[in-house]
Amino acid sequence: GAGVSQSPSNKVTEKGKDVELRCDPISGHTALYWYRQSLGQGLEFLIYFQGNSAPDKSGLPSDRFSAERTGGSVSTLTIQRTQQEDSAVYLCASSLEGGGTYEQYFGPGTRLTVT
Amino acid sequence: RKEVEQDPGPFNVPEGATVAFNCTYSNSASQSFFWYRQDCRKEPKLLMSVYSSGNEDGRFTAQLNRASQYISLLIRDSKLSDSATYLCVVNTGFQKLVFGTGTRLLVSP
Repeated sequence: GAGVSQSPSNKVTEKGKDVELRCDPISGHTALYWYRQSLGQGLEFLIYFQGNSAPDKSGLPSDRFSAERTGGSVSTLTIQRTQQEDSAVYLCASSLEGGGTYEQYFGPGTRLTVT
Repeated sequence: RKEVEQDPGPFNVPEGATVAFNCTYSNSASQSFFWYRQDCRKEPKLLMSVYSSGNEDGRFTAQLNRASQYISLLIRDSKLSDSATYLCVVNTGFQKLVFGTGTRLLVSP
């Protein structure tokens, strides 16, 4: 079956521009996570959606970052006024349910480069 | 102290060798533990869950020591295809997983 998909796969943007990254989770998965991974670094948790509950935004690094999940499916991560330190691979993952006990399936990521 | 700590490596081993990685976690309330594998420029994928009694999957054995708060992964008879970064992952009890920075393994002919 289809896995987690993300688009675009690569994005180059100028400092100060806004970007939108999209994630299509596996159908039927209620939990969706966004992470980012800088070169040679571990995964940094950004935000977590579980069903219709309020999202856990505790990992968002600044108010320039926001995310939404429409209809319990597709999610969009928006970064406003991008900075060079935002350059990283942004990974989306989904799992059957939340709570951190179920396997997370990752998308291929969006590689963001801010020039 | 980081929530999940791993030796970054790299571990350089010849084919056929046995190699072990350790990982420590800080939150004693953690309930679920996993090892993920990440190939270069690819997304992480689940290798195996770690159960309290220890578990084995082919050449891979995972152990959990709750008293000392560490998790281990043992790989026997290493293959070239085992070369990757191995991520220790812990559910800290706050509804999400915390990923370690990974241990890099290089298996050479």
